[in-house]
Amino acid sequence: NAGVTQTPKFQVLKTGQSMTLQCAQDMNHEYMSWYRQDPGMGLRLIHYSVGAGITDQGEVPNGYNVSRSTTEDFPLRLLSAAPSQTSVYFCASSYSNSEKLFFGSGTQLSVL
Amino acid sequence: SQQGEEDPQALSIQEGENATMNCSYKTSINNLQWYRQNSGRGLVHLILIRSNEREKHSGRLRVTLDTSKKSSSLLITASRAADTASYFCATGRGAGNMLTFGGGTRLMVKP
Repeated sequence: NAGVTQTPKFQVLKTGQSMTLQCAQDMNHEYMSWYRQDPGMGLRLIHYSVGAGITDQGEVPNGYNVSRSTTEDFPLRLLSAAPSQTSVYFCASSYSNSEKLFFGSGTQLSVL
Repeated sequence: SQQGEEDPQALSIQEGENATMNCSYKTSINNLQWYRQNSGRGLVHLILIRSNEREKHSGRLRVTLDTSKKSSSLLITASRAADTASYFCATGRGAGNMLTFGGGTRLMVKP
């Protein structure tokens, strides 16, 4: 099992550019989520999904879109990158509610 | 805003000593989880304690939960240099397995 795989590991964008962060899991987990981590801080929830075709907003959803067409994949789209979106992004999955999360290794994003 | 707040923000101890980290939160929860993060890496789950549990052990880890005080503690016994990392508490509530993370405790264990 690869677990939760995130790509790319590093990305530099210019303000206004768009891009998609990829996340895939091979554990057949229903629950997937995206978090961002700013320097010296904990993680904040951006969007989450409880199954294919179902997504919802977290604490900081503005500027991001998600979709869940399959159980395995949960991409995060930045519509028009802003410097405030410079952060490390983590994808996570879990088997069900109230269970532990499995995290990917993160994507370090810089927006200039 | 962060649901959980860890205390202390940073902790430096000698190898062999015990390390205690505390977490306070504000609203009712389904469960509380502790995660570890090595510098520049993803988070690794350590232990989950449900709202109807008071104490849980896993190897050298001991977690307590006091729902009346809305607080939890993580004890690492006989610490090792390899325990050097940031430790985060996260509270789970509602549907969707949404977790709210605290700001973390940075633990340094000196050999």
